[in-house]
Amino acid sequence: EADIYQTPRYLVIGTGKKITLECSQTMGHDKMYWYQQDPGMELHLIHYSYGVNSTEKGDLSSESTVSRIRTEHFPLTLESARPSHTSQYLCATSTGRDTGELFFGEGSRLTVL
Amino acid sequence: GDSVTQMEGPVTLSEEAFLTINCTYTATGYPSLFWYVQYPGEGLQLLLKATKADDKGSNKGFEATYRKETTSFHLEKGSVQVSDSAVYFCALRSGSTLGRLYFGRGTQLTVWP
Repeated sequence: EADIYQTPRYLVIGTGKKITLECSQTMGHDKMYWYQQDPGMELHLIHYSYGVNSTEKGDLSSESTVSRIRTEHFPLTLESARPSHTSQYLCATSTGRDTGELFFGEGSRLTVL
Repeated sequence: GDSVTQMEGPVTLSEEAFLTINCTYTATGYPSLFWYVQYPGEGLQLLLKATKADDKGSNKGFEATYRKETTSFHLEKGSVQVSDSAVYFCALRSGSTLGRLYFGRGTQLTVWP
């Protein structure tokens, strides 16, 4: 049974649409992350949060935005999707103990036509 | 900056063959090192880790030894199974990255019966 839920798992939309990828966790973890995984499998950190009302941009520049109003939720939004946004988006969490271990959701695969 | 260089794939093996996936790193200080595995259609999950030099991480028959002198953390398994087919990611976490992980590009492993 998953403790990190990502919805939708798969999404195909047209250019210019606004989309929100949801990530919810029941683990009570303070730290949450969004990674973008390209077709070559490489992972890029695009956003992270160390707690409620805390959000930071990651290593890869992204046109997406995130919010962290509640500990459990860390949604990612694209105001106007483009084909270049086609990718797999992975949400992850970690504990405050800073062990370095990340817990991942199953991912949201986005295709923009 | 901190980085991980991982053996390029894909790697194709017959069942019961010996597996090595090479991983080397560049980091300041004394990083922790990880191997993550991604099975088809799933998110990443931690396979094993080592937090200091000469530590050996092990899990599910996989092993990796933290070698500071060669800055390496190669993944090995003596006898692979079809169920080991997945993508394997080497990752590091150092004190300079505020707890964030840096991932290698991933290595696709396919095991044939």
